[in-house]
Amino acid sequence: GAVVSQHPSRVICKSGTSVKIECRSLDFQATTMFWYRQFPKQSLMLMATSNEGSKATYEQGVEKDKFLINHASLTLSTLTVTSAHPEDSSFYICSAPGLQETQYFGPGTRLLVL
Amino acid sequence: GDSVTQMEGPVTLSEEAFLTINCTYTATGYPSLFWYVQYPGEGLQLLLKATKADDKGSNKGFEATYRKETTSFHLEKGSVQVSDSAVYFCALSGGGGFKTIFGAGTRLFVKA
Repeated sequence: GAVVSQHPSRVICKSGTSVKIECRSLDFQATTMFWYRQFPKQSLMLMATSNEGSKATYEQGVEKDKFLINHASLTLSTLTVTSAHPEDSSFYICSAPGLQETQYFGPGTRLLVL
Repeated sequence: GDSVTQMEGPVTLSEEAFLTINCTYTATGYPSLFWYVQYPGEGLQLLLKATKADDKGSNKGFEATYRKETTSFHLEKGSVQVSDSAVYFCALSGGGGFKTIFGAGTRLFVKA
């Protein structure tokens, strides 16, 4: 089946630094990718829809300047958490749509901001 | 707007017990319905899906039937195993745009 990878799987950074998370579709092209945030023991919260060749669409309440999304190619989307703070610590998951509206999820990136 | 409601967890069962996790939805049109599973420390994996009314999705002993009349998509398994311990998310998608709406998730613990 379709595979989506994320890198890094885990990152620890100091407060005020920026962190880039990559999401790749390994064996298929994805003009659209989704970025989610998941707090411990909670559901996924859709942050934004990443569109290849155009600007990302952000959900209400998500800061565009804080969470920069770049869909550089048909197989790569990146999420950059700028000037990260401890409250940005979370599990970030990307997905790409497949056939019949199925989502293929990456394994997630755990971010810890100290 | 569209929404998904699933039973709160955690659900704790003994091995070989019968499992039901309830899921109901609200949607305009005719969405596709999904169950995703998340094992500890991992992303989500598709468990099963149904794309139209009365369809039954099944995988790894799990089943769910798309019930339009009751707007439900309950997940069942006849005999759970310890390895089934995970968080299960009911979800719907439809109307274009591929946006998927998730339920809150139900954590399942299976004891040996």
